[in-house]
Amino acid sequence: AQKVTQAQTEISVVEKEDVTLDCVYETRDTTYYLFWYKQPPSGELVFLIRRNSFDEQNEISGRYSWNFQKSTSSFNFTITASQVVDSAVYFCALSLIGNEKLTFGTGTRLTIIP
Amino acid sequence: DSGVTQTPKHLITATGQRVTLRCSPRSGDLSVYWYQQSLDQGLQFLIQYYNGEERAKGNILERFSAQQFPDLHSELNLSSLELGDSALYFCASSRTGRTQYFGPGTRLLVL
Repeated sequence: AQKVTQAQTEISVVEKEDVTLDCVYETRDTTYYLFWYKQPPSGELVFLIRRNSFDEQNEISGRYSWNFQKSTSSFNFTITASQVVDSAVYFCALSLIGNEKLTFGTGTRLTIIP
Repeated sequence: DSGVTQTPKHLITATGQRVTLRCSPRSGDLSVYWYQQSLDQGLQFLIQYYNGEERAKGNILERFSAQQFPDLHSELNLSSLELGDSALYFCASSRTGRTQYFGPGTRLLVL
């Protein structure tokens, strides 16, 4: 069975600070996808990124960056120069290639203080 | 806007009742997934349909059922509702099975 752990339940930072959200996953499968989703106060789930298990390249998109390390089964998410609009609950998730159901972590509530 | 639509946005009903949640996937997406988000269980996969056929089942109660119609929209039927069924129900769709795009959700309150 798959498991995704987001140990940080809540994080608060002052605007413009950098913040890293941790995600640790467990699976016996060697091929899988990892995801980050954002849930703003309005409630919808917004897709942010997908990584394949065979591609450990880090990725940067604007102020967002992701660090994928298979050796530690981690897929961490960093927001640089945080903004109030980044306040949301962020979910890390995993699916197996060939089994599309998403297994979600419990989420990290990020609050950016103006 | 993900392109996935869900109706209604909010639903308030009583215990023992039956409700139907509706989902229209993104244009061209053949797969539809249903998830439940509750305070105690978090985000849980319920069921997946692909082009009208059930493909995978998760933690879906026997009182719940779903179907996908020829036009690819999907409905999730919840019956004999209990207080504990109060939750946010999400539909997601996917074209390739890799990335799922979520609708805005239906917030169900059972009183």
